[in-house]
Amino acid sequence: NAGVTQTPKFRILKIGQSMTLQCTQDMNHNYMYWYRQDPGMGLKLIYYSVGAGITDKGEVPNGYNVSRSTTEDFPLRLELAAPSQTSVYFCASTAFLGYEQYFGPGTRLTVT
Amino acid sequence: GIQVEQSPPDLILQEGANSTLRCNFSDSVNNLQWFHQNPWGQLINLFYIPSGTKQNGRLSATTVATERYSLLYISSSQTTDSGVYFCAVRGANNLFFGTGTRLTVIP
Repeated sequence: NAGVTQTPKFRILKIGQSMTLQCTQDMNHNYMYWYRQDPGMGLKLIYYSVGAGITDKGEVPNGYNVSRSTTEDFPLRLELAAPSQTSVYFCASTAFLGYEQYFGPGTRLTVT
Repeated sequence: GIQVEQSPPDLILQEGANSTLRCNFSDSVNNLQWFHQNPWGQLINLFYIPSGTKQNGRLSATTVATERYSLLYISSSQTTDSGVYFCAVRGANNLFFGTGTRLTVIP
């Protein structure tokens, strides 16, 4: 098992550009999550999904969109990138609600 | 959301020393996880410990859910233990993270 994989590892965007962060898990987990980590801080939840076709907002969803067309994939879309979205983005998954979450390696995004 | 406080915020240890990291949380929780974020940014699961005590090599953790705290013990610290240690507790739908304890182990 590769676990949770994310692409790209690094990206620099100009203000106003858009991009999609990819996340894939091969553990057949129903629950998937997107977090952001700002410098010196813990992680905050952006969006989550409890299964294919079902997504919901977390603590900090503004400026982002998600979709979940398959169990494996949970892409995060940034529209009109802003400097405030400079952060490290982590994707995670878990088999059942309340069980431990497994994290991907992260995507470091800089918006200038 | 649930408030999660970790202490101390920073810790510097000589290699071989022991340490205790603390995590306090503001509400009843269904699970608690400890993570180590290494200097390359990777998040590594250490413990899934909603209650009780677990041990894994030089690391152990104890959660007392009724008193809303958890402790992470690191014994005989090594330079590879350096990084940031996070605890995270689960609310209704997601994990709430503390701001971490930054550990530096010097040889």
